[in-house]
Amino acid sequence: AQKITQTQPGMFVQEKEAVTLDCTYDTSDPSYGLFWYKQPSSGEMIFLIYQGSYDQQNATEGRYSLNFQKARKSANLVISASQLGDSAMYFCAMITKQDYGGSQGNLIFGKGTKLSVKP
Amino acid sequence: DSGVTQTPKHLITATGQRVTLRCSPRSGDLSVYWYQQSLDQGLQFLIQYYNGEERAKGNILERFSAQQFPDLHSELNLSSLELGDSALYFCASSVEATVETQYFGPGTRLLVL
Repeated sequence: AQKITQTQPGMFVQEKEAVTLDCTYDTSDPSYGLFWYKQPSSGEMIFLIYQGSYDQQNATEGRYSLNFQKARKSANLVISASQLGDSAMYFCAMITKQDYGGSQGNLIFGKGTKLSVKP
Repeated sequence: DSGVTQTPKHLITATGQRVTLRCSPRSGDLSVYWYQQSLDQGLQFLIQYYNGEERAKGNILERFSAQQFPDLHSELNLSSLELGDSALYFCASSVEATVETQYFGPGTRLLVL
């Protein structure tokens, strides 16, 4: 079964330091995409970064980078130089091309990690 | 701003009632997805439409239905509401219906009393 696991319910980081949020995934489909979304307390879901299963290099978007280790099935999010505004819930998610009973193209989410940035 | 709009932002209603949530995808996006976020279930996929046709179903209750109109906006209808239907309902859109980024609307927060 396809699954996303985020083992850190909550994390603290000091402002200006880097932090890594863990994500492991499970799929037998060779073609998939991995995503990270940020959900501030206001509730909206903000797309941060995407990694395709065939991408040779780790994805980067500004202060966000994705540490993609395919053999270990992990896709950890690294936030560099944390800011107070980074305090939020962070969700790891996956899409596979595999068609399970008609499901195709929908995001499967982990339970999220609540990041708190301390001044 | 993702470019996906959802109305209303908040909705308070009573058990047994019916409500309609509305979503307009980003310009050019053909695929619309509905997700439900609740404290006990987390984020769950409900249903997907692509260019007006239903493409995939997830954990959507029979009391819930959706459609996508010719102008590509979508509506999610929730009927015979129960307390447990209280949740944040998101609409997301993408260009196609493949492995690509989905952009989320601001959500509709539904409270059933």
